[in-house]
Parts: sequence; structure tokens; C-alpha cells
Amino acid sequence: QQQVKQSPQSLIVQKGGISIINCAYENTAFDYFPWYQQFPGKGPALLIAIRPDVSEKKEGRFTISFNKSAKQFSLHIMDSQPGDSATYFCAASFRDTDKLIFGTGTRLQVFP
Amino acid sequence: KAGVTQTPRYLIKTRGQQVTLSCSPISGHRSVSWYQQTPGQGLQFLFEYFSETQRNKGNFPGRFSGRQFSNSRSEMNVSTLELGDSALYLCASRAGTGSSYEQYFGPGTRLTVT
Repeated sequence: QQQVKQSPQSLIVQKGGISIINCAYENTAFDYFPWYQQFPGKGPALLIAIRPDVSEKKEGRFTISFNKSAKQFSLHIMDSQPGDSATYFCAASFRDTDKLIFGTGTRLQVFP
Repeated sequence: KAGVTQTPRYLIKTRGQQVTLSCSPISGHRSVSWYQQTPGQGLQFLFEYFSETQRNKGNFPGRFSGRQFSNSRSEMNVSTLELGDSALYLCASRAGTGSSYEQYFGPGTRLTVT
């Protein structure tokens, strides 16, 4: 009930293409859904986040789409660049707690 | 504003020893959480502290403990180290006030147990 399922495990995209990573959850009590980007040897960096009362949020080339009824959310990276090559994690948390439940991660490789 | 800092960055310990890791949150942040990251288990929540009080604890044995000081700095301790404790230990901080849910991670401490 507390799991967040992430797919795909790895993704190869050509420069300029769209990268799409999907996550699904079961527990409807989740209240906050962030995406993190992690480069090798670094800590995860907050990329973009959404609350369940919003269906889409866009920040630059990054967009979260949120489907409350399907209990799914996804990250879209438009105009993907080689510098976007990293591991991406979705996560979810309940109200009034900082405990983040992470997906298993997606390793994105963007080739020129 | 300086980010979350963690010390040390790398650590090598022997089975049976104990270790203390330190985390300094972003200035003004009052909430600190700890996570363990391994290739097999991914990112797993360890503890959450706010104003020196542990608010939440993950499913880890009692060998894992933590605390938070009045200046919001936090430490975690692992006693009687096991080989499986080898991991990247991450600290995250949040303002802890208002409606901001955003948590920011430090670079982590890479612990190797031999």
C-alpha cells in the first residue's frame, strides 16, 4: 500500500526527443509527489513536484502530468539533452510527514 | 544560501564497529530526514526529525539511531556495523513551516563496511 512503482527501469532517447517516465501508486492518502534527478556521486536534486489537486505542472522543459483517478503520474522531459542523462526518481509522501517513498529509479541516457 | 552539507563524505569501517554521520541542514530549515541508498533496495527512509523530536522512523533495526540538536544539525549513528550497512547515507532538509513540502538533499556519506 505504500509502494510507488516506477517504469521504465532504463530509457534511451535521442537528443531533442521527449523522455517519459511513469509512476503509479495505490494509497490515495499520498499528498505530495516530487521528482528527483540524481547524477553519479551526487545526492538527489529536487526537479519538480505536484500536489493531487493539480493535473499538470510545467517548469521549463520538465512537466508533471497527474491522473488522480488512475493513481498515476509521469515526468515528461521535452527537448531532451545529453546533460539530462541521469537517474530519475519519483516519490510520494503523506500529509504532515517528510517521509518520502521512492520509486525504483529510471536511468535516462540521452544520445547526441 | 548554502545547501545541505554532510560529513564525512567517505568512510571505511570494519564489521562490528560503530559510525556517526553528521548533517547540517540549509540555514533556517528545521526538519531533517535521513535515507539509505543501496543498489538493491533503492532509497529507503530512516528517520525524520523536527525541532529535536523524532517524528517518524523507518523499518530499520535498532542499531540505527539519530538525533537532532537545537541548531537543527543532525547526526545518525549505526552501531555494530554489518557488511549490508554499506550504502550511501543521505540527509534531506525542509523548512518545516508553512505549506512548503520541498526537501533538499545533501551529497551523502558513502559508507563502506569491510
